Amino acid sequence: QKEVEQDPGPLSVPEGAIVSLNCTYSNSAFQYFMWYRQYSRKGPELLMYTYSSGNKEDGRFTAQVDKSSKYISLFIRDSQPSDSATYLCAMRARAAGNKLTFGGGTRVLVKP
Amino acid sequence: EPEVTQTPSHQVTQMGQEVILRCVPISNHLYFYWYRQILGQKVEFLVSFYNNEISEKSEIFDDQFSVERPDGSNFTLKIRSTKLEDSAMYFCASSERGASSNQPQHFGDGTRLSIL
Repeated sequence: QKEVEQDPGPLSVPEGAIVSLNCTYSNSAFQYFMWYRQYSRKGPELLMYTYSSGNKEDGRFTAQVDKSSKYISLFIRDSQPSDSATYLCAMRARAAGNKLTFGGGTRVLVKP
Repeated sequence: EPEVTQTPSHQVTQMGQEVILRCVPISNHLYFYWYRQILGQKVEFLVSFYNNEISEKSEIFDDQFSVERPDGSNFTLKIRSTKLEDSAMYFCASSERGASSNQPQHFGDGTRLSIL
């Protein structure tokens, strides 16, 4: 079983729709969870950073973590064409120091 | 907003040659990292660096790789004798503090390394 799994997509939605993304993981030691957005030929850009279980909201973005199910989600409300990108989840275990473990990314296309 | 900058954006090198990738981390950050992303694959951790020492490294980071902070602003990754399989995007990242402080890592736009 892969450590972090993410559906590669592409996920195509009409402008204004809610985008729903998720990752599953197998390592129960992961405690810090991040979502990065990556445009073509650019580096990962941090969107959300959460610790342990629960929800976090920032503008149009909501991140959810369910540690009991080993499942994290990112929701993008009122999606815009500029949200078209690849979304990467990343995780870190407290005992693993600074090493981030990434999912493979989900490509999202928001159509005007 | 402060950002991590990487140069060059694209590096083409003959197999067997040495290559140095350069990064300028965010100025008040103390922890520095290199990751790589082979085309179509996941972003993978290579190494973390703090206080002029490697603090962690992955199995990928073998004797062909080295890192250095030659001055107060630059952070470099050197590959001594490049192989075809070293072709990838190499991302530099930095964080204000390390793992115990919950500080996130911020990434540069990467250097695309092509080995011929």
